Amino acid sequence: TQLLKQSPQFLSIQEGENLTVYCNSSSVFSSLQWYRQEPGEGPVLLVTVVTGGEVKKLKRLTFQFGDARKDSSLHITAAQPGDTGLYLCAGGETSGSRLTFGEGTQLTVNP
Amino acid sequence: GAVVSQHPSRVICKSGTSVKIECRSLDFQATTMFWYRQFPKQSLMLMATSNEGSKATYEQGVEKDKFLINHASLTLSTLTVTSAHPEDSSFYICSARDGRALDYGYTFGSGTRLTVV
Repeated sequence: TQLLKQSPQFLSIQEGENLTVYCNSSSVFSSLQWYRQEPGEGPVLLVTVVTGGEVKKLKRLTFQFGDARKDSSLHITAAQPGDTGLYLCAGGETSGSRLTFGEGTQLTVNP
Repeated sequence: GAVVSQHPSRVICKSGTSVKIECRSLDFQATTMFWYRQFPKQSLMLMATSNEGSKATYEQGVEKDKFLINHASLTLSTLTVTSAHPEDSSFYICSARDGRALDYGYTFGSGTRLTVV
């Protein structure tokens, strides 16, 4: 069974600070996705990375896929209260297959 | 973009009764849908993979007779929690992937909060 270790599990910071969330595995994934989930809602896809070493930017969010396609990171610059939520990384073995989810990072950005 | 509709969003039922949750792909066909369970402040736990026209594939430890899955059409999968008990109270989420999409991401329903009293 492929496992994804996500860290930190909880993060509480002040508005304007930067943060990084890590997602690590001993297995190779064909793709890795990052989702954000708000209470009482389903996860919403933020980005998908598929190529080793790939870097994608989404406004203040920067996503990176490790060269070996086993790990990924999410960096948020100048965090805002609206960034508060549960961030989940998920690895896909092949296109259309089941996803393996990390444990999640609960981010709280205080005004 | 792809939309997955899940209904109901909240349900309260008495212990011993059954509850059906629907998951529909609104603008695409999904031969495969996935059902997850989520506890507060935790990640998603895959319960089963729903396959159109065939039996669902359940994850280890998930009771097939307890959580009945039916995927009778390319746009609808249902999860029925039979003889519900308080320990079945949880947040249930379905997902599906639009095969036409260029990204590998899955679209999730908005979830169903089940409370068994």
